[in-house]
Amino acid sequence: EPEVTQTPSHQVTQMGQEVILRCVPISNHLYFYWYRQILGQKVEFLVSFYNNEISEKSEIFDDQFSVERPDGSNFTLKIRSTKLEDSAMYFCASCPRALNTGELFFGEGSRLTVL
Amino acid sequence: DAKTTQPTSMDCAEGRAANLPCNHSTISGNEYVYWYRQIHSQGPQYIIHGLKNNETNEMASLIITEDRKSSTLILPHATLRDTAVYYCIVRGPNTGNQFYFGTGTSLTVIP
Repeated sequence: EPEVTQTPSHQVTQMGQEVILRCVPISNHLYFYWYRQILGQKVEFLVSFYNNEISEKSEIFDDQFSVERPDGSNFTLKIRSTKLEDSAMYFCASCPRALNTGELFFGEGSRLTVL
Repeated sequence: DAKTTQPTSMDCAEGRAANLPCNHSTISGNEYVYWYRQIHSQGPQYIIHGLKNNETNEMASLIITEDRKSSTLILPHATLRDTAVYYCIVRGPNTGNQFYFGTGTSLTVIP
């Protein structure tokens, strides 16, 4: 069964460093998402991406975050200068069609620890 | 903001049906009810969704009341692997491009 894959599974970084989290969505899907979950808290929406551009973003997704689909298969989340509060699980998700009737398929997540 | 209300936690005996309720009294006519679950710290997993008719798939059944103000997710024969947080989410064409995950119901299946 096709699945969303994410790398790395765990990354430890120093505060102020740049981090890139990678995702390979399911191949025929059109909509891509990043969510995050701080330990013990809710799953929070960060950004959605369609047709090579951001379609929606939350207030969490500030200027230090960016997303890219550089080669038609990978979908990346970059955090420019990490802060301690960026420590969280980051989940990538994809959807075959608009969310009106579609369902999200999530990856297993990338755990980011900022020291 | 959340448009659904779920109990914080529930227990269910292994092999019995788990019935997870959700209230969504402000649901509008074009909004769907979705159920997801999250096992430990894994990525959320889609279970089922519906608009007004009851739905069933290999994982679960979804019963939506006639007035659509509440629904119940039924896991017919709960196993230990069904222990997870279950999220009821309401969304539709005007809800934007995201799912809002609230606090959900923490289901514990007891041997």
